[in-house]
Amino acid sequence: GAGVSQSPSNKVTEKGKDVELRCDPISGHTALYWYRQSLGQGLEFLIYFQGNSAPDKSGLPSDRFSAERTGGSVSTLTIQRTQQEDSAVYLCASSLVGQLTEAFFGQGTRLTVV
Amino acid sequence: AQKITQTQPGMFVQEKEAVTLDCTYDTSDQSYGLFWYKQPSSGEMIFLIYQGSYDEQNATEGRYSLNFQKARKSANLVISASQLGDSAMYFCAMRAAGNNRKLIWGLGTSLAVNP
Repeated sequence: GAGVSQSPSNKVTEKGKDVELRCDPISGHTALYWYRQSLGQGLEFLIYFQGNSAPDKSGLPSDRFSAERTGGSVSTLTIQRTQQEDSAVYLCASSLVGQLTEAFFGQGTRLTVV
Repeated sequence: AQKITQTQPGMFVQEKEAVTLDCTYDTSDQSYGLFWYKQPSSGEMIFLIYQGSYDEQNATEGRYSLNFQKARKSANLVISASQLGDSAMYFCAMRAAGNNRKLIWGLGTSLAVNP
C-alpha cells in the first residue's frame, strides 16, 4: 500500500480481555517496529522485526504482550488479559532496511481499557 | 542513563516567522544519533531530520535545521517561515546505546502556528 496501515484505529475493550492490533507495512519494507505512546509520554519501543531474523522483543513490558509477523509482511500485536495501564496509542512503523531515519509510521491504534 | 529533555510543553509562533524548539540530551556514548519527528493530529510520526554525533555540520532539510551544540548537549530544531500546517507535536529522540532500533524519546512540544 501507499503507507503503513493500522487497524483498528480505535479499540475499547474490557479489562481482562485479549486484543489484537494489526499493522500492514509498506510493501517491500523488511523492517517493522512497534511502539507504544502513553498519554503525556514519549514513545516506548516494544518490538522490532527485520526480515527472517529473530525479533528484538526487548521492549515488551510483560509476557502478556506478544507479536508476530507473518510472511515478512503483516504484523499482529497481541495483548492478553488487558489492564487499564495498557491504554495507549500503539504505533507501527516500517522501513526498507533497519534505518530509523527512513521509517514510516502508521496513524496508530488508540487502545482504551475500561 | 540516556535521557531526552524537551522543556517547552507548548509553543506559539506567528505564520511566516521562525521558531526554535528546544531539546537537550544526556548520554555517555561518544557515538549517538539525534532525531526530530512531527506528529500531527492524525497521529502518525513523521521523520523530519537527523544529526549524527560526528557530523561536523548542522543538519538541514528544507525549512528544518538542527542547531547541534555538542558541548552543551543540545539539538534544537529550527523551523523557518512557519506555515499553518506546521501545527503539531514535535518530538526529539536519541538512538539508544547498544540498540539501533530503540529510540529514547522526549515528551514533546506542542507547536501552534497562528495566522
